[in-house]
Amino acid sequence: NAGVMQNPRHLVRRRGQEARLRCSPMKGHSHVYWYRQLPEEGLKFMVYLQKENIIDESGMPKERFSAEFPKEGPSILRIQQVVRGDSAAYFCASSSTGREQFFGPGTRLTVL
Amino acid sequence: GENVGLHLPTLSVQEGDNSIINCAYSNSASDYFIWYKQESGKGPQFIIDIRSNMDKRQGQRVTVLLNKTVKHLSLQIAATQPGDSAVYFCAENGESGNTPLVFGKGTRLSVIA
Repeated sequence: NAGVMQNPRHLVRRRGQEARLRCSPMKGHSHVYWYRQLPEEGLKFMVYLQKENIIDESGMPKERFSAEFPKEGPSILRIQQVVRGDSAAYFCASSSTGREQFFGPGTRLTVL
Repeated sequence: GENVGLHLPTLSVQEGDNSIINCAYSNSASDYFIWYKQESGKGPQFIIDIRSNMDKRQGQRVTVLLNKTVKHLSLQIAATQPGDSAVYFCAENGESGNTPLVFGKGTRLSVIA
């Protein structure tokens, strides 16, 4: 039973480029959450999705950031026109109940 | 606003001793709490959880205590081992479930061999 999968594990982008982060939840999990973590800090919630629906995006910046969780395929977190301040670790978590959340290994985004 | 925070940012313990990591929360409506362990370069790993209708829950070498009166949560690790070295986060879940976790800043546990 594979855990939460995220790819790529490391992503380097230049300012102005687009970053696409992918998350495949655990089998049977329909709840997906995206969190962002800066060095030496806790995780900060960004967006919560269920299949084809955004449930809560209160933690996501209103510009340049978007997320989706299509009926088929992984959840995608997209960051357009990246800036240096977007450099962080982005974690995805999945849940079957909306309670216990299991995290993936994260994608470390570096913006040059 | 709601806040989940930790009392001690770093903790050093001798191998074999017990460790206690503390956490304070301010949202009295929270009814579910989780402790995560995060090793360098990895995602948070679920350790143990507790619901607000419980005061104590035990796992393998770990115990979580919940004091709702003072809104305090602690994680006890028995016979701490070098492999326990990591950053530990407490997180709370909103009163209705299906809500995002609110994380504290974390406590770094260093085990001295």
